[in-house]
Amino acid sequence: ELKVEQNPLFLSMQEGKNYTIYCNYSTTSDRLYWYRQDPGKSLESLFVLLSNGAVKQEGRLMASLDTKARLSTLHITAAVHDLSATYFCAVEYSGGGADGLTFGKGTHLIIQP
Amino acid sequence: GAGVSQSPSNKVTEKGKDVELRCDPISGHTALYWYRQSLGQGLEFLIYFQGNSAPDKSGLPSDRFSAERTGGSVSTLTIQRTQQEDSAVYLCASSLGPKRTQYFGPGTRLLVL
Repeated sequence: ELKVEQNPLFLSMQEGKNYTIYCNYSTTSDRLYWYRQDPGKSLESLFVLLSNGAVKQEGRLMASLDTKARLSTLHITAAVHDLSATYFCAVEYSGGGADGLTFGKGTHLIIQP
Repeated sequence: GAGVSQSPSNKVTEKGKDVELRCDPISGHTALYWYRQSLGQGLEFLIYFQGNSAPDKSGLPSDRFSAERTGGSVSTLTIQRTQQEDSAVYLCASSLGPKRTQYFGPGTRLLVL
């Protein structure tokens, strides 16, 4: 069974600071996704990481993947209030069977002025 | 359409009633997914369609849940004899094909009284 663990689950930080969210998964995966969810809204795709060493950046967010360690990180640089949201990592199982994503519990991020 | 649409956006029902939730995927997307999001369980994968067929229905929580997809487009998720524990947000996603980025709809918020 594929398990995905995120930490921290809750993070309150000040604007201008840097921080990293971690995502560990338990078995081999084809690809890893990061999604953002604003309160009462649906999920917005941020990044898809396909291979070991993959790094993607968009604005103040940067995601990386280490398939050997089964670890992905989402790094926030010089945080701004608009980045406040819940961030989910999700993993696609590389074995047979259903092709749904397995999600972490999410990291609820609050960025204070 | 521009994105995945779902209806109704909110549904309140009485325990024991049947409900039907609808998902209209992005035009041209052959893969369609249903997920459930609740406070206690987080985001759970329910079922996946490639075209009109669902290769694996084992993610459905119980035999009260069923889903179908017709014409390779619209999908309906039906919950029979609803229970209070069925209360959740039901999210639909679609993608160009299996193992491609999934784009989520706004969800249907179901409350079973």
